[in-house]
Amino acid sequence: QSALTQPASVSGSPGQSITISCTGTSSDVGGYNYVSWYQQHPGKAPKLMIYDVSNRPSGVSNRFSGSKSGNTASLTISGLQAEDEADYYCSSYTSSSSYVFGTGTKVTVL
Amino acid sequence: QVQLVQSGAEVKKPGASVKVSCKASGYTFTSYDINWVRQATGQGLEWMGWMNPNSGNTGYAQKFQGRVTMTRNTSISTAYMELSSLRSEDTAVYYCAKDGPPNWFDPWGQGTLVTVSS
Repeated sequence: QSALTQPASVSGSPGQSITISCTGTSSDVGGYNYVSWYQQHPGKAPKLMIYDVSNRPSGVSNRFSGSKSGNTASLTISGLQAEDEADYYCSSYTSSSSYVFGTGTKVTVL
Repeated sequence: QVQLVQSGAEVKKPGASVKVSCKASGYTFTSYDINWVRQATGQGLEWMGWMNPNSGNTGYAQKFQGRVTMTRNTSISTAYMELSSLRSEDTAVYYCAKDGPPNWFDPWGQGTLVTVSS
């Protein structure tokens, strides 16, 4: 199972919006509404930010939103803040009854 | 609150095995699958497999088939991941994570660094 494809880095100024893409195939992202997104600060464990494509767990800021079109899922961070600077990973359930993560995106707040 | 607490860092020689524990609290341990994910230094996340604490059923990523074993002790709400025939490429932080449920991982343990070095 190949990793889902994410851009290596995305940057934006405080207050701006950025979008991170996550591209897979019809056997994973495109085949199921089971895409989740995780935020990871250096030296810390990942934290769930979005589940089932577009749902936000309680406690996660509504500045984070998710969507999907075909084989590509997206995470949008609006009103970018310094604390959003971190690595972000997508994940999808697959037709092999397994999970696959994305390659990861480093978000930089300029 | 729901929490997963993992065992401490390990240093192993090539060819050895390592067993990492993950103690759950704050919820009914047998009600949700436990997944294991690893991350080599500076690299991305890699899913290793899942275990159902109620039945003991497991599912492993093809890459780890034959080398990984996931077990549990329900009396102490603890899951285990054992990886054998270690090689330098297995040096990574290993995380356990509770199933959503299902299809997402939340929360995660704090991670266990496993270093494989001669």
